[in-house]
Amino acid sequence: EDQVTQSPEALRLQEGESSSLNCSYTVSGLRGLFWYRQDPGKGPEFLFTLYSAGEEKEKERLKATLTKKESFLHITAPKPEDSATYLCAVLSSGTGGSYIPTFGRGTSLIVHP
Amino acid sequence: GAVVSQHPSRVICKSGTSVKIECRSLDFQATTMFWYRQFPKQSLMLMATSNEGSKATYEQGVEKDKFLINHASLTLSTLTVTSAHPEDSSFYICSATKAGGTDTQYFGPGTRLTVL
Repeated sequence: EDQVTQSPEALRLQEGESSSLNCSYTVSGLRGLFWYRQDPGKGPEFLFTLYSAGEEKEKERLKATLTKKESFLHITAPKPEDSATYLCAVLSSGTGGSYIPTFGRGTSLIVHP
Repeated sequence: GAVVSQHPSRVICKSGTSVKIECRSLDFQATTMFWYRQFPKQSLMLMATSNEGSKATYEQGVEKDKFLINHASLTLSTLTVTSAHPEDSSFYICSATKAGGTDTQYFGPGTRLTVL
């Protein structure tokens, strides 16, 4: 059974204080790892898809990296508007072609001005 | 882009009535659409997966007669909550994957359902 664990559950940062969110996973063959941002009362907003170990993607202050066991979402010099819940999801190739990802419980990030 | 809309964004109804929620992919054709439910401060719970023109596949524990899903076209799926009760109050979110694209799911803005 695919498993996704995100840590920490909650993170408070000062504006400008860089940090990383972790997403550890166990799957029977990774087809893709996804990062989303979710604001309260809204649907998740797509950020990145990573497919293979060593891959990195960047968008503004966010950078996602991937290894064979985990992914990191690095936030450089965060601003208060980066406050949100960040969700990680994995799609495995071990489910007969299933296209249903497994989601983590998310990391709630609060950036104080 | 990959924009998904939901309507309505909020709905309040009386117990026993039915509520329909629409999910549309605005700028792409969707191979598959998904319906999720989310409780406060919890992650997404997949309810069902639907493909255009075929019956939806429901997750274990989700009543298919209560949560009716119709995927009428490559850009529209609807979720009808029949005979709604207060315990059905929740945040419902749909998502879609692009036809001919990757497995990335693009989410709608969600619908807040409150059953009185």
